[in-house]
Amino acid sequence: GAGVSQSPSNKVTEKGKDVELRCDPISGHTALYWYRQSLGQGLEFLIYFQGNSAPDKSGLPSDRFSAERTGGSVSTLTIQRTQQEDSAVYLCASARGIYNEQFFGPGTRLTVL
Amino acid sequence: EDKVVQSPLSLVVHEGDTVTLNCSYEVTNFRSLLWYKQEKKAPTFLFMLTSSGIEKKSGRLSSILDKKELFSILNITATQTGDSAVYLCAISNFGNEKLTFGTGTRLTIIP
Repeated sequence: GAGVSQSPSNKVTEKGKDVELRCDPISGHTALYWYRQSLGQGLEFLIYFQGNSAPDKSGLPSDRFSAERTGGSVSTLTIQRTQQEDSAVYLCASARGIYNEQFFGPGTRLTVL
Repeated sequence: EDKVVQSPLSLVVHEGDTVTLNCSYEVTNFRSLLWYKQEKKAPTFLFMLTSSGIEKKSGRLSSILDKKELFSILNITATQTGDSAVYLCAISNFGNEKLTFGTGTRLTIIP
């Protein structure tokens, strides 16, 4: 596609529920990144993929967070047993390679009640 | 740990003014510094800087990097209301592939 797309654009969920966020990177981009942006904060790195593998998961805040990427394309970020502090905008970015500039999607705004 | 500090935190100017946004950083094994513009949700890429002293320019925007003093500036000349946004600075190093972001400068242009 023309750019990175993410779905849903907004998600409201109840505390304790699981949520799944989706990212479609730019076609041909091998690197894919997930970030989180809380209100008034900078972007916080969560995880990145090179192809289907995730060499760096150091940014995942807890074991409730997981991500996968299949076919070198679409990625899903799953948050289990959501907590109110998980409320944030979750941004996905892709790049031609790990040394290239990253292009961001529009994000998913997650609200945990 | 890599660190990025942006200043000012916010800036309000009149249309037509020139602004300079600052980004200082601490990083081991520096690879690149990037500037993004964030209007609503998606940050849009502006510049990637890897070498000192070489200005990158795009229309009214320009940026330069000083690797000795560990900072970069983003200049916007003849500002327009459409320049109102949060401007984010980020760095990357050769040790890992993530970007480390500053908290941004919120720029507001008054007509």
